[in-house]
Amino acid sequence: NAGVTQTPKFRVLKTGQSMTLLCAQDMNHEYMYWYRQDPGMGLRLIHYSVGEGTTAKGEVPDGYNVSRLKKQNFLLGLESAAPSQTSVYFCASSAPETQYFGPGTRLLVL
Amino acid sequence: QKEVEQDPGPLSVPEGAIVSLNCTYSNSAFQYFMWYRQYSRKGPELLMYTYSSGNKEDGRFTAQVDKSSKYISLFIRDSQPSDSATYLCASTDSWGKLQFGAGTQVVVTP
Repeated sequence: NAGVTQTPKFRVLKTGQSMTLLCAQDMNHEYMYWYRQDPGMGLRLIHYSVGEGTTAKGEVPDGYNVSRLKKQNFLLGLESAAPSQTSVYFCASSAPETQYFGPGTRLLVL
Repeated sequence: QKEVEQDPGPLSVPEGAIVSLNCTYSNSAFQYFMWYRQYSRKGPELLMYTYSSGNKEDGRFTAQVDKSSKYISLFIRDSQPSDSATYLCASTDSWGKLQFGAGTQVVVTP
């Protein structure tokens, strides 16, 4: 039982490049989330999903897209990376009463 | 203005002291309140969860919620150097989208 895993752990991009972050959970949770964490800002919700095939915008969705084709996976895409997207990205999945977080992906956009 | 406000610290205490952390929130609909602990370069992990007002104790940790004043507290007794971490409060009105505070960095010195 791995919980929530994220791929990759660290990535450096140039401005304008695209990439996809992968999140996988093995707890059969319906709800999954993508957050970004920046100094002094705490965790901010980017997008979330309440089930396979569904997605919804969170607090800071601009510049990101997501897909939930399979229940266990939640993908976060950056179509054209910008330096403002330099951050640590966390994926989470939830059961009632708690959210389980992955280890994070550190992204640096130059 | 964020719906959950939290002093970022850092908060430095000597080993064995009581750590007192608090947050305020603005949304009267919030009824679930959580504290997460996050070690450096790790994902957040759930420490305590409280529904509505009241106290909850788990070992050295006590969580308090006062809905009349919209105040959330976490107390850590007999603090240890291993308690050094960032502590994030979070709230929501229904399971799904959590609103996080910015996190308070705690340093327990031997």
